[in-house]
Amino acid sequence: GENVEQHPSTLSVQEGDSAVIKCTYSDSASNYFPWYKQELGKRPQLIIDIRSNVGEKKDQRIAVTLNKTAKHFSLHITETQPEDSAVYFCALITSGTYKYIFGTGTRLKVLA
Amino acid sequence: NAGVTQTPKFQVLKTGQSMTLQCAQDMNHNSMYWYRQDPGMGLRLIYYSASEGTTDKGEVPNGYNVSRLNKREFSLRLESAAPSQTSVYFCASTPRLAGASSTDTQYFGPGTRLTVL
Repeated sequence: GENVEQHPSTLSVQEGDSAVIKCTYSDSASNYFPWYKQELGKRPQLIIDIRSNVGEKKDQRIAVTLNKTAKHFSLHITETQPEDSAVYFCALITSGTYKYIFGTGTRLKVLA
Repeated sequence: NAGVTQTPKFQVLKTGQSMTLQCAQDMNHNSMYWYRQDPGMGLRLIYYSASEGTTDKGEVPNGYNVSRLNKREFSLRLESAAPSQTSVYFCASTPRLAGASSTDTQYFGPGTRLTVL
């Protein structure tokens, strides 16, 4: 079945630096790629998403890039702040089933 | 709007006991989902309901059953709980119909923390 691999599993950066998280997938028909942020003890919440007909999308300090040929998409956070510390999940929709598949998550720590 | 609600918030069961986790949404969404979250395993899909009247298996359906009672409610039942089912369970919903262009945000409930002794 469909699978999505997420790397790294943990990431520590200094405040103000950039963070990049990458996900790779196998089903070339996947066409929707969201990213969720989960703070400790809370529910996951969408932070940004991208569709397959777009290569990049930005929202202030957050951006997502998609490379359909290589089958990977990445989350970029610039000028990181302590409140960016959380677990980040990539996800995608499997074509034809409307079934969400999530990556295993990346724990981001922003060091002050 | 309350969004997606789940009951109970916490539950402790003994091995072999049964229970039902309740989920409801007031956003008129068509699709609903049940996930479990274990440390280091991310969110794994148990069952989903693309629309009222339909249910489908996800990645880890064994040991669970679901009921899409109506458009608002989607329950998850553990018939005979096992320690391996100790986890945090999240319900989620999305607006769209099955088969439509898959471009929808998932809205999650607050979760149920289940411990099976």
